[in-house]
Amino acid sequence: ETGVTQTPRHLVMGMTNKKSLKCEQHLGHNAMYWYKQSAKKPLELMFVYNFKEQTENNSVPSRFSPECPNSSHLFLHLHTLQPEDSALYLCASSQGAAGPQETQYFGPGTRLLVL
Amino acid sequence: KQEVTQIPAALSVPEGENLVLNCSFTDSAIYNLQWFRQDPGKGLTSLLLIQSSQREQTSGRLNASLDKSSGRSTLYIAASQPGDSATYLCAVVMFSGGYNKLIFGAGTRLAVHP
Repeated sequence: ETGVTQTPRHLVMGMTNKKSLKCEQHLGHNAMYWYKQSAKKPLELMFVYNFKEQTENNSVPSRFSPECPNSSHLFLHLHTLQPEDSALYLCASSQGAAGPQETQYFGPGTRLLVL
Repeated sequence: KQEVTQIPAALSVPEGENLVLNCSFTDSAIYNLQWFRQDPGKGLTSLLLIQSSQREQTSGRLNASLDKSSGRSTLYIAASQPGDSATYLCAVVMFSGGYNKLIFGAGTRLAVHP
């Protein structure tokens, strides 16, 4: 266990549904991240929150909407997704100090299938 | 734009072999480099972190080297075991906008059979 949990672990949704992914970290970290991992492609950074402020939006379509109510919780709200959005969505956290030894701790991911 | 390439994409070896996984990157202005392991259905686990001023790091049977000027890193696994079967991901770390930004390769999928 890395101290980062994600729910649900698996999700199947239709293109007209609205759902949310949840991430929680128990490490006292200040930065949280959403990544997308599609089949046979590198992990892609989607969003970064540092001290609850969004510091990165990596050209992500507006059908993905992040929310960070506090430094321990991160949500990804999904609506009107496309089948190509099917992927593993990973959450990570880090101290947020950006030092040379800083590492990110990853959750187990949510496997999303859009029909 | 930083691009990270990992070779080979997949590897299948008998138990006991020594292995070398390769990672190359296009922009040498990196903060540090990390190797991760990903098991099926699970998240990433950090294996080794090499700072840009370092040449290598060791942890148990794992040794990672970094040659920043040539844009290369290798992960050496000694005496491989079936429990080493997983996907190994290389990520370069760039300092960007006040946080460490990880840029990943597509990974090497390793299978070690008894």
